[in-house]
Amino acid sequence: GDSVTQMEGPVTLSEEAFLTINCTYTATGYPSLFWYVQYPGEGLQLLLKATKADDKGSNKGFEATYRKETTSFHLEKGSVQVSDSAVYFCALPSSGNTPLVFGKGTRLSVIA
Amino acid sequence: GAGVSQSPSNKVTEKGKDVELRCDPISGHTALYWYRQSLGQGLEFLIYFQGNSAPDKSGLPSDRFSAERTGGSVSTLTIQRTQQEDSAVYLCASSLAGLYNEQFFGPGTRLTVL
Repeated sequence: GDSVTQMEGPVTLSEEAFLTINCTYTATGYPSLFWYVQYPGEGLQLLLKATKADDKGSNKGFEATYRKETTSFHLEKGSVQVSDSAVYFCALPSSGNTPLVFGKGTRLSVIA
Repeated sequence: GAGVSQSPSNKVTEKGKDVELRCDPISGHTALYWYRQSLGQGLEFLIYFQGNSAPDKSGLPSDRFSAERTGGSVSTLTIQRTQQEDSAVYLCASSLAGLYNEQFFGPGTRLTVL
């Protein structure tokens, strides 16, 4: 079945540092790919998505590019802020259906 | 309008008791999903409702788990004879349609089984 592998962290960065959280996937065909974020004490929110190969999703300074040749959807941000501290989940729709398959999540802590 | 709401926000129960968790999706969303988030397992899909179709129950971990969705709106997840391994955060999400639409998540219900 379809699956997602992401670096598990935790990741601790200083403010204004560059962030990369790796995500690779195994899927039949070319599904949409998502990054969700869970801030402390809150529910999951969609951060960005890409619906086809070579698409770049972006939001709040975060970017991820759908790379079919490497089956990757790495999340990047050029300059993180303390407010970016959260758990980040890479996800895709499960094979032949729409419930999402999630990576295990990466906890990011940004210190001032 | 309001987002997805879930109740209760926290539930503590004794092993062997039954619990009911409620989800109110966003009005007009035809698809509703239940997930479970636990420390050891990450986020797991449990069950999915799409319109009037039969639900996809392929993620339910045992026959102690069941869910219904009344009138295409509110959903209740029931866990019978709870076990300690059922302790987790239960998340509900809804979306406009089944395929590739953004899923909007509720804040979750934290279930603790003593």
